Amino acid sequence: NAGVMQNPRHLVRRRGQEARLRCSPMKGHSHVYWYRQLPEEGLKFMVYLQKENIIDESGMPKERFSAEFPKEGPSILRIQQVVRGDSAAYFCASSPLSEQETQYFGPGTRLLVL
Amino acid sequence: SQQGEEDPQALSIQEGENATMNCSYKTSINNLQWYRQNSGRGLVHLILIRSNEREKHSGRLRVTLDTSKKSSSLLITASRAADTASYFCATDGGNNRLAFGKGNQVVVIP
Repeated sequence: NAGVMQNPRHLVRRRGQEARLRCSPMKGHSHVYWYRQLPEEGLKFMVYLQKENIIDESGMPKERFSAEFPKEGPSILRIQQVVRGDSAAYFCASSPLSEQETQYFGPGTRLLVL
Repeated sequence: SQQGEEDPQALSIQEGENATMNCSYKTSINNLQWYRQNSGRGLVHLILIRSNEREKHSGRLRVTLDTSKKSSSLLITASRAADTASYFCATDGGNNRLAFGKGNQVVVIP
């Protein structure tokens, strides 16, 4: 059973471009979470999704950021018009419906905005 | 909102010694979890302790939880060089939003 997969692992964007980060949860997991980690910091919650449904987006910036988890395919975290302050590591985690307490993390996508 | 905070921030020990890290939080929780992160990698779940539990063991790991003091400790016994990593505590208030601390950097010297 493959773990949580994220791609790309590294992403470089210039200011004003769009960044799309993908996350494929573990097989059988129906819940996806996105976290952001700034250098030398802990992870900060961004959004919690189930298939076709956003459960909690209280950690998402109000502008430029959006997330989806479609019926088919990976979850997508989209950042429009990136700025240098968006440079961070973005981690996705997933959990099964039967064991929502434990979240399994992917390797992360490191976004660098030039 | 909850905020795990680890103490101390950095720890350097000899292989074979024990390593102890502490974490404090501010509000009520359902459970507290510890994760390990190797440099530049993702997080690995180590252990979860529920609010009605006081102590839990997993291999060389021992976690305690004191809800009256809103604190937890992680003990790694007989440390190995491979234990070198950052260790984070994360609290869950029941809404599946994990609140992480800033992490403890542990270096185990062979």
